[in-house]
Amino acid sequence: DAKTTQPTSMDCAEGRAANLPCNHSTISGNEYVYWYRQIHSQGPQYIIHGLKNNETNEMASLIITEDRKSSTLILPHATLRDTAVYYCIVRVAGTGGFKTIFGAGTRLFVKA
Amino acid sequence: NAGVMQNPRHLVRRRGQEARLRCSPMKGHSHVYWYRQLPEEGLKFMVYLQKENIIDESGMPKERFSAEFPKEGPSILRIQQVVRGDSAAYFCASSPGQGGTMNTEAFFGQGTRLTVV
Repeated sequence: DAKTTQPTSMDCAEGRAANLPCNHSTISGNEYVYWYRQIHSQGPQYIIHGLKNNETNEMASLIITEDRKSSTLILPHATLRDTAVYYCIVRVAGTGGFKTIFGAGTRLFVKA
Repeated sequence: NAGVMQNPRHLVRRRGQEARLRCSPMKGHSHVYWYRQLPEEGLKFMVYLQKENIIDESGMPKERFSAEFPKEGPSILRIQQVVRGDSAAYFCASSPGQGGTMNTEAFFGQGTRLTVV
C-alpha cells in the first residue's frame, strides 16, 4: 500500500468547515483513498473512501485531485465532537485484506 | 446489526500471565484484522485472518503472540507470558469477504486495553 503524508495537527473553529489534506504521491491506479478517524480512546471510525471521483456522504466530502496524488477530507460544519485524529490511508480494493498502514494522522482540534 | 464486539474492554495481567482477547466480527463478515496501538501512536497491523485460516501475520511478534479465528466463535488474540511492553490497546476490525474488484471498508471494535503490572 502507498504511503500517505498528513499534517500533524490542525485547528478549526466550531461551525466552520474543516479541510484536512493528505498527500499520496505514490498512489497506484487501483488504490483507493480511505479516511478514518479515532476519537479519544475509541476504535477507529470509517468516514469515507473514493477512487478518483469526489465523494460525499452524511459525514464528509472527499475531494481527490485529478492526478490522484493528494486528497482533502472536508467536514462541512465542524462540531466539538469532531475533535479526533484523522487517518488517511490508501489500499488496493479487492485484495487480501485490510492490511492498512495507519500513520500518525492529523490531530484535529475543533474549538468553540 | 451489532458492530464488532471486543471483550474484555479492559484487562489487567501480571507479568508472566496469559492474556486472551476476543473479537466477534459483524454479522456476515468473514475477515478479521488485529491491530495494536501504543499510547500516543498510530495503529500497527498485526494479523489478518479468515475463518480457520491465517492469511497474513507479518505484523505479529515472532514469539508469545498467536491468533485464531475458528469456524465457530470469536477470533482470539493470545499473548503468552505477558511483559510490561505488551501494555497497549488492541483493536479488532472486520470486513465482508473480498473478491474481484469489490472495495469495502473495515469496521473496528472499541478495543481491549491491556495493562501488564
